[in-house]
Amino acid sequence: DAKTTQPTSMDCAEGRAANLPCNHSTISGNEYVYWYRQIHSQGPQYIIHGLKNNETNEMASLIITEDRKSSTLILPHATLRDTAVYYCIVRFNTGGFKTIFGAGTRLFVKA
Amino acid sequence: EAGVTQFPSHSVIEKGQTVTLRCDPISGHDNLYWYRRVMGKEIKFLLHFVKESKQDESGMPNNRFLAERTGGTYSTLKVQPAELEDSGVYFCASSNSGANVLTFGAGSRLTVL
Repeated sequence: DAKTTQPTSMDCAEGRAANLPCNHSTISGNEYVYWYRQIHSQGPQYIIHGLKNNETNEMASLIITEDRKSSTLILPHATLRDTAVYYCIVRFNTGGFKTIFGAGTRLFVKA
Repeated sequence: EAGVTQFPSHSVIEKGQTVTLRCDPISGHDNLYWYRRVMGKEIKFLLHFVKESKQDESGMPNNRFLAERTGGTYSTLKVQPAELEDSGVYFCASSNSGANVLTFGAGSRLTVL
């Protein structure tokens, strides 16, 4: 699986958009970008994934650059409950491939 | 739909004792994964079951760890004998055969004294 690079930590004001970047310059053509998060003392939670088109769901939006070497997870209106560690993961979208977690970005949402 | 259930939520044992962690995946999910997070470290993959078969056990740290999934339903992870460095949170996740989105349980916190 391709390696990803994320900032160690970020701050965001409550109610503002949180934009979390991820670099994955070695991503291959068939690898997807996945985002998970881990809120303190809970199990990791799936957020969103995509291949090359931008994706949106009820939790977040995922913007993938045209060359697919980087992406941004957007939480449109961050709340205090969004404080968590966010993981950007690149993997093939078929069974048998394990999901590998890196260090992630620790997002602090402040009132 | 019930989520992934893990038991116990917290276990405190002494070094040299045995502990068995249990995971009940979402009903019908063929894929079951074990991960663990040691304090201050990243979440690490341990192993992956497809039904009752071990698909990938490359992350198992040593032979003190034994995972089973008899019948392809729930899974157990036994640590015998436990060492201090085994302390951490053990997560279980499951997914169905057609999806690659993992649903995680709340984790089992293991403290070895």
